[in-house]
Amino acid sequence: SSELTQDPAVSVALGQTVRITCQGDSLRNYYTSWYQQKPGQAPVLVIYGKNNRPSGIPDRFSGSSSGTTASLTITGAQAEDEADYYCNSRDSSGNHVLFGGGTKVTVL
Amino acid sequence: QLQLQESGPGLVKPSETLSLTCTVSGGSISSTNYYWGWIRQPPGKGLEWIGSFYSSGSTYYNSSLKSRVTISVDTSKNQFSLRLSSVTAADTAVYYCARPWTNIWGQGTMVTVSS
Repeated sequence: SSELTQDPAVSVALGQTVRITCQGDSLRNYYTSWYQQKPGQAPVLVIYGKNNRPSGIPDRFSGSSSGTTASLTITGAQAEDEADYYCNSRDSSGNHVLFGGGTKVTVL
Repeated sequence: QLQLQESGPGLVKPSETLSLTCTVSGGSISSTNYYWGWIRQPPGKGLEWIGSFYSSGSTYYNSSLKSRVTISVDTSKNQFSLRLSSVTAADTAVYYCARPWTNIWGQGTMVTVSS
């Protein structure tokens, strides 16, 4: 498969938990990275590998995967987490890059 | 610390060829079999992968752009380049060079296709 599917938008109350999902057949075989992008800025990696956070990313961000669905969870969402989130993985060949369409997270 | 920097014209005329260069600093582009590539983002839209290559030489392109894209590498300058031919307004976007699946991205450069 050559597609990753995300919900276009989700909202979360301040301090609550939100899960963003990404679906794609190839996710059964490859890890998913997650990027956060704020307006006018380059994407920032928040999760990679099985469930790893780059230095400087708060531990309220976590990743998980089951079958063909990968998830990014923000536990205790903060106002600064309001952004677009993109999942990123590979196609079935392992050599082509796939991005999901992005999920806009609004913190209420 | 590996850093990437895009450079090239910010304005390209329709039907012409867009050319961008990514300069890699803080490490050698050929020292390890890393995967490098170009990604773009049209205004108000999502991220789109354009193409990539392994340091060992294999190159891969997005099938929707393959007929118009060429990615080349200059190891002597520690740079890689993107050429996109026959551009239209739909190619207007911020173009990023990056190591996909990592936190190593350039800051991005806006390219507008307009006469």
